[in-house]
Amino acid sequence: NAGVTQTPKFRVLKTGQSMTLLCAQDMNHEYMYWYRQDPGMGLRLIHYSVGEGTTAKGEVPDGYNVSRLKKQNFLLGLESAAPSQTSVYFCASSPRTGFYEQYFGPGTRLTVT
Amino acid sequence: AQTVTQSQPEMSVQEAETVTLSCTYDTSESDYYLFWYKQPPSRQMILVIRQEAYKQQNATENRFSVNFQKAAKSFSLKISDSQLGDAAMYFCAWGGIQGAQKLVFGQGTRLTINP
Repeated sequence: NAGVTQTPKFRVLKTGQSMTLLCAQDMNHEYMYWYRQDPGMGLRLIHYSVGEGTTAKGEVPDGYNVSRLKKQNFLLGLESAAPSQTSVYFCASSPRTGFYEQYFGPGTRLTVT
Repeated sequence: AQTVTQSQPEMSVQEAETVTLSCTYDTSESDYYLFWYKQPPSRQMILVIRQEAYKQQNATENRFSVNFQKAAKSFSLKISDSQLGDAAMYFCAWGGIQGAQKLVFGQGTRLTINP
């Protein structure tokens, strides 16, 4: 099992450009999450999903959109990138029942110039 | 809303010694989970230990143990016999029981191990 994978691992964007980050999990988990990590602020929840076709806002959703068309995939989109979105982005997944744990992907480092 | 506070941005310890990382949280919920995650330079988030709030017994995992004080809303991590591989960022996190099991993270503590 690959666990949680993220594509790409690194990306540099110019202000105003758009991009999509892809998260995939092969553990059949119902719940999926997108976090951003900034120095001195820990990880903050951007959006999350409790199942295929459903999404919800987290703590810092502005400037991002998400979609979960398939259970195993969770996409994070930036329509018009801003320097304030320079960050490391983590995807995570967890099962709806059983052991309470979130499994994290390796992260994507995004720089917006 | 829940908050998690780690008041020690950096800590250091001599190899083989014991170190304690502090974490406090605020919540109005009575049942929840608390976690410590380790993030080495590879950036991968690794679960170190988990505590269920309704359990009074402190969780332990080999050299890692917690001191969970529910009334004081305190959740510290003790690392015994520190090893060079323990050097990392450590994040404390609160997890809700209801709904989507969202996590709220603290700011992190960078732990350095001195040989």
